[in-house]
Amino acid sequence: QKEVEQDPGPLSVPEGAIVSLNCTYSNSAFQYFMWYRQYSRKGPELLMYTYSSGNKEDGRFTAQVDKSSKYISLFIRDSQPSDSATYLCAMKGGGGFKTIFGAGTRLFVKA
Amino acid sequence: SAVISQKPSRDICQRGTSLTIQCQVDSQVTMMFWYRQQPGQSLTLIATANQGSEATYESGFVIDKFPISRPNLTFSTLTVSNMSPEDSSIYLCSVVGQDYEQYFGPGTRLTVT
Repeated sequence: QKEVEQDPGPLSVPEGAIVSLNCTYSNSAFQYFMWYRQYSRKGPELLMYTYSSGNKEDGRFTAQVDKSSKYISLFIRDSQPSDSATYLCAMKGGGGFKTIFGAGTRLFVKA
Repeated sequence: SAVISQKPSRDICQRGTSLTIQCQVDSQVTMMFWYRQQPGQSLTLIATANQGSEATYESGFVIDKFPISRPNLTFSTLTVSNMSPEDSSIYLCSVVGQDYEQYFGPGTRLTVT
């Protein structure tokens, strides 16, 4: 079993739709949860960063962490064609910098 | 933040040869990492490059195959040695910035024929 599971997609939605991206994980020691966005032929860039459980909102993006279920989500409201990218979830435990990444979900937002 | 550049951006190499990838950061950083990203797979950490000491390799990666240099706090190189088609991948340099966030370079797309 992989430490982090993420559906690779692709996920195709119309412009303006609400997008839900998810990851599950198995290691209960994870405390820091991140979402990265990666455009084609670019490196990943940090989108959202959450510590422990709860919600965090930043503009059209909302990150949710449910540690009891070992499940994290990223919601994108009013999705735009410019949101078309691969979204990688990532997580790590406390005290170290080794981050475990999901395989990434490819998202296409159609105009 | 940290701005990272990598050279080359892409290359096509013959099996049995070696390629050295350069990573330059616009600020001094303590921790630099090298990752491999294969299609449909998660980012895999190859090694952590430490300035002034040997790199620390992850399970499945060895120094003979992926020698790393870290001559100062802004620069590192990764060499992919004796390449085979299985080494075809995107190689990414990454650093932890002064804000403790992790930043990635644009990647080097390697194809081995």
